[in-house]
Amino acid sequence: GQQVMQIPQYQHVQEGEDFTTYCNSSTTLSNIQWYKQRPGGHPVFLIQLVKSGEVKKQKRLTFQFGEAKKNSSLHITATQTTDVGTYFCAGPGWRDNNDMRFGAGTRLTVKP
Amino acid sequence: GAVVSQHPSRVICKSGTSVKIECRSLDFQATTMFWYRQFPKQSLMLMATSNEGSKATYEQGVEKDKFLINHASLTLSTLTVTSAHPEDSSFYICSARDVGLAHYNEQFFGPGTRLTVL
Repeated sequence: GQQVMQIPQYQHVQEGEDFTTYCNSSTTLSNIQWYKQRPGGHPVFLIQLVKSGEVKKQKRLTFQFGEAKKNSSLHITATQTTDVGTYFCAGPGWRDNNDMRFGAGTRLTVKP
Repeated sequence: GAVVSQHPSRVICKSGTSVKIECRSLDFQATTMFWYRQFPKQSLMLMATSNEGSKATYEQGVEKDKFLINHASLTLSTLTVTSAHPEDSSFYICSARDVGLAHYNEQFFGPGTRLTVL
């Protein structure tokens, strides 16, 4: 089935440093989504990317979708302690676009 | 808007008993709901896709007779863990997709249910 691979698994940064997590697929994705899960919480939708080469920004967060639509990245500029959590990418499953398959996630910790 | 509730939030049961978990979309209709399982510090594993008015679609390796899913209305899906065993202990999370255009593909997650089987 379709899988999305996500790296790194963990990232520990000093507050103010930048952070990036990467998501890769062996097949072309029709879309990719990003979610954030705070410790003890549930995943919260951040964004969906659909177009080849698409770049979207949400304040300090920048999301990119590769030209081949096989990879994506989430970049956080000048991390804050509120950014702590696990960031997941998710791509469509193998049946159709109805279900999404989650990457392994990148757990971000920020030292104040 | 787009709130999903899940009940109960925590449940402890004895081995061999059945546990029902409810997932409700509170302010929108959801023709499709998803059930995930999440182990500590791991990703979400899709268990099944719950479709209103029809049978659920289970992922490979997920036992249909053990994890019974019922999607009786556009706002409610239930997951019943039958004859639970300690290895079924996990965090179960549901999500729902709003049929409205404004949230075409976004999934809204419930707060999760922590199941502990003794």
